[in-house]
Amino acid sequence: KNEVEQSPQNLTAQEGEFITINCSYSVGISALHWLQQHPGGGIVSLFMLSSGKKKHGRLIATINIQEKHSSLHITASHPRDSAVYICAVPGNQFYFGTGTSLTVIP
Amino acid sequence: NAGVTQTPKFQVLKTGQSMTLQCAQDMNHEYMSWYRQDPGMGLRLIHYSVGAGITDQGEVPNGYNVSRSTTEDFPLRLLSAAPSQTSVYFCASSYSFLRSDHYGYTFGSGTRLTVV
Repeated sequence: KNEVEQSPQNLTAQEGEFITINCSYSVGISALHWLQQHPGGGIVSLFMLSSGKKKHGRLIATINIQEKHSSLHITASHPRDSAVYICAVPGNQFYFGTGTSLTVIP
Repeated sequence: NAGVTQTPKFQVLKTGQSMTLQCAQDMNHEYMSWYRQDPGMGLRLIHYSVGAGITDQGEVPNGYNVSRSTTEDFPLRLLSAAPSQTSVYFCASSYSFLRSDHYGYTFGSGTRLTVV
């Protein structure tokens, strides 16, 4: 049983496209994290949000606590956005999605 | 620079060897944890600590030991390496375990371990 489900698993987009990655979770939470992992690199936290929407540059994260669903949007995608995006839900421990591998083609 | 320092970045071990992965943070974080990341499985919790002197098991603790003698350090020990422990390991810390949002969750850069 996966407490956190992400979709899609893999995503290829043309540069400039609008991208949406979805995350659904089953555990009760007060906040959700979106993480970014570059190929061969470490993991960085993009957002931590508990309600509504947060925006950082071309990245927008939304969350609906009642529906237990969050989305990460990337506007005007660029090849440097190519990475694995992971949603994580904190509880007694962190529950992680398996990640969405994004490739943006020039 | 403040953050989580994880060493080594790469390691190759022979089956049966032992080693310690080091993790140190200088942010005075209470909560520290170790994960392994395997293809298609996401991050899985090995062990975690909510403060100096306190450790507990995560989802996949077998074959690993930890200790937390100081707030800063949280080493992960492989007692007798097995090929099944080939993985990428991440250390992470956060300001407070008591806050359910794990404020300031920070990852180390990872250790790629191969057991042959």
